[in-house]
Amino acid sequence: GQQLNQSPQSMFIQEGEDVSMNCTSSSIFNTWLWYKQDPGEGPVLLIALYKAGELTSNGRLTAQFGITRKDSFLNISASIPSDVGIYFCAGHLKAAGNKLTFGGGTRVLVKP
Amino acid sequence: GAGVSQSPSNKVTEKGKDVELRCDPISGHTALYWYRQSLGQGLEFLIYFQGNSAPDKSGLPSDRFSAERTGGSVSTLTIQRTQQEDSAVYLCASSQELAPLYEQFFGPGTRLTVL
Repeated sequence: GQQLNQSPQSMFIQEGEDVSMNCTSSSIFNTWLWYKQDPGEGPVLLIALYKAGELTSNGRLTAQFGITRKDSFLNISASIPSDVGIYFCAGHLKAAGNKLTFGGGTRVLVKP
Repeated sequence: GAGVSQSPSNKVTEKGKDVELRCDPISGHTALYWYRQSLGQGLEFLIYFQGNSAPDKSGLPSDRFSAERTGGSVSTLTIQRTQQEDSAVYLCASSQELAPLYEQFFGPGTRLTVL
């Protein structure tokens, strides 16, 4: 089946820094989604991308749907402590019905 | 408004016992999904219900796993003869029929520990 590789697996942020993470796939998707999961909670949708090349912002978050339809990135600008959590990318392929394929997650931590 | 709720929040069981996990989707959402999240991993799709259609069970890892959705609302995920490798957080999500079906809203999950 399709695999999503998410990198980095973890990162440390310092308040005010910009951070970036990405997701690559072995095959194309029709839609890319980015979720954030806080401890003890379910993932919450941050951004949905519907077209190749699309660049979408949600506050300090910006995500892009790669032109090849096999990758996506998420940027967080001017990070704040509450940005800590696990960020998941997910892909949707119309031919697969309504299932989502999730990446392994990027764990964002605060620099000690 | 009320989000997706799941119960119990934590379940500890002995190997070989059966467990039932419950999901209450958002009212009016016709699609319901179950995922499994092992420690430090992404979400693994298990099963999907949409309205009155036959569920998509393609993600269930073995015949010990089954799920029902009664009356188009509440769903129960049952794991029979639990094994230690079943230990994980089980997440439920729901979505509206008219919205893009992949905009799923997740519950907080049930953390299952099999001793």
